[in-house]
Amino acid sequence: DSGVTQTPKHLITATGQRVTLRCSPRSGDLSVYWYQQSLDQGLQFLIQYYNGEERAKGNILERFSAQQFPDLHSELNLSSLELGDSALYFCASMSSWEGRTEAFFGQGTRLTVV
Amino acid sequence: GDSVTQMEGPVTLSEEAFLTINCTYTATGYPSLFWYVQYPGEGLQLLLKATKADDKGSNKGFEATYRKETTSFHLEKGSVQVSDSAVYFCALSDRNSWGKLQFGAGTQVVVTP
Repeated sequence: DSGVTQTPKHLITATGQRVTLRCSPRSGDLSVYWYQQSLDQGLQFLIQYYNGEERAKGNILERFSAQQFPDLHSELNLSSLELGDSALYFCASMSSWEGRTEAFFGQGTRLTVV
Repeated sequence: GDSVTQMEGPVTLSEEAFLTINCTYTATGYPSLFWYVQYPGEGLQLLLKATKADDKGSNKGFEATYRKETTSFHLEKGSVQVSDSAVYFCALSDRNSWGKLQFGAGTQVVVTP
């Protein structure tokens, strides 16, 4: 158990809909990272938050947004969903990138858009 | 930008065979290098890491050495087990990247009895 909790584990929704994925980081970790794993794109970094503030952005679509709340949990919002958004979405947390500490990953949310 | 290239799979081996998965990287700075493993239906787990040149990471019989001169971080295991069947990802994190990971495409390893 990595200590990172993601809900829900599975999500099936229709095109055009909006979903919210939730991530609770390990206790004490201030950084949260979101990654997308798809068959054609592999593992792609989407966005990072640190203590409530956005720190880095990767290949995140404009239809996607995220936030980190005061209790440090994070949500990834995906809207106007398309078939190609079907993927496994991972959240990872890290206490600090100083000193090369490792990232701990949740088990992911599998999103299927039909 | 930074990138990671690893050998394509699937790699199919018999139990007790030697495993090598090649990984090379491109980075502007001095990245930390990682191998993550993903077992079926699970998330990613850190297998080993190395933070500077010539460092050797090791865990569960797996080893990888950070080779700056060849920009490589090949993963090796001397005798694989069926339980090692998984997808292995090579990744890097640059000093200036706020801890985000750049992953390779992943290599599926299948170990048969």
